[in-house]
This record gives sequence, C-alpha cells and structure tokens, in this order.
Amino acid sequence: DIVMTQSPATLSVSPGEGVTLSCRASQSVSTNVAWYQQIPGRPPRVLIYDASTRASGIPARFSGSGSGTDFTLTISSLQSEDFAFYYCQQYQNWPPSYTFGQGTKLEIK
Amino acid sequence: QVQLLQWGAGLVKPSETLSLTCEVSGGSFTENFWNWIRQPPGKGLEWIGEISHTGVTTSNPSLRSRVTISVDTSKRHLSLRLRSLTAADTAVYYCARGRAQVGGFSHFSGLDVWGLGTTVTVSS
Repeated sequence: DIVMTQSPATLSVSPGEGVTLSCRASQSVSTNVAWYQQIPGRPPRVLIYDASTRASGIPARFSGSGSGTDFTLTISSLQSEDFAFYYCQQYQNWPPSYTFGQGTKLEIK
Repeated sequence: QVQLLQWGAGLVKPSETLSLTCEVSGGSFTENFWNWIRQPPGKGLEWIGEISHTGVTTSNPSLRSRVTISVDTSKRHLSLRLRSLTAADTAVYYCARGRAQVGGFSHFSGLDVWGLGTTVTVSS
C-alpha cells in the first residue's frame, strides 16, 4: 500500500505571508497527486490535481509541484479564509486506489 | 450543477450494519465514478470505495470484507453498506464524484463534488 506522509502536522503563519506544505509518497506515484482544503465542519474542496493543475475556480495563489515521491503545495500571500486543514491524496488508475495523507493544519500565528 | 444529497441512520449499534444513500442531481451520472470517503472525529480522510454507473466497484482493501457499494442508475443513487460495525467506524461519511470515464479512458481530476456528509455514531 502507498503511504502518504505530510509535514509538518501544524504550521503557524501570519496572514499575508507565503507557505509551503509537503507531502511524500512511500513509492513513486508519478504526478498522480491531488490536494484538498478542508474547513472544519465542511467537506473537503479539491485545489490541485495531477500534482500541479489548479481545479476549477481555485485562486492563482495556490500552486502545486512535484513528481515521483515528493510534492508541495504553496500558498502565496495567505488570506484569512486559507487557514484550514490541507490533505494530499495519491491515486492509481489500476487497480484503483486512493490514499490520503494525514493532513496539515494551517493556523494563524 | 452537480449536487450530492446523502442520508442514512446516524446512530447504529455495534455489530450492526451502516446503510447510507447518496443521490446525484444535475450533470451526468454515467460519465463518472462515485466514491465514499469517511473521516473519524478529529482525524483525516479515508477512502472507502468507488462505483461506476454500471456497478463496477473497487473498495479499500482494509474494509473490503465488510463493505458493499451499489448503484441504482434509474434513481441516480449510490449506496453504502458497512457490516459488523465497531466504535472505530464512528465517522462522518461523505459521497463524492471521482474519476471521469469516457470510452476506454479514465481521468481523475480530484474528488470535485462532495455531499455535506452524514455523521454516523456506533454506540449501544
């Protein structure tokens, strides 16, 4: 099974600053990685898929990069609504499998 | 605009079976796989399984022996049954739209439409 490990578990950042979240796969997943944002009490929202493609309606301050085993999500100039939990997810076409990382909490400093 | 409405029992006894339904409104029901995901209180997300409109299904190996995912295309419903429940199955359960399949090709652009979630508590 592919394990996705996110770091750090919690990140404290001031509004207006930029931040980079990391996700590492236990084996190569090519660019089959998505990133989600979740505000407590609400379902997740997809931000990025195929490691670097922004989903529809996602602001340009969100960007993703990486391939193989190491991936990052960068948020430039944090807005108040960006303080939330973030999850990476790997996906394989065959056999279908989807695994999430354990999440990073982005909190206001 | 695709919307997912989900419902089911919120309190289930240990050893019994969880049963949830998700109705898809708007958009195409036949072009995508439909997923179930769960999230225990204060924890992360766990993929349960996916199903196509023709009933092709795959589930998480860790849950496979207890999970049944089914579909009723005429009603645009997908359903989840999880047997032999324990307290560890207490979670918010979500349905979500997944990979698109056109012809012989599929593409995943994230789980891009989600239901609001159903809180299921396993307790006697």
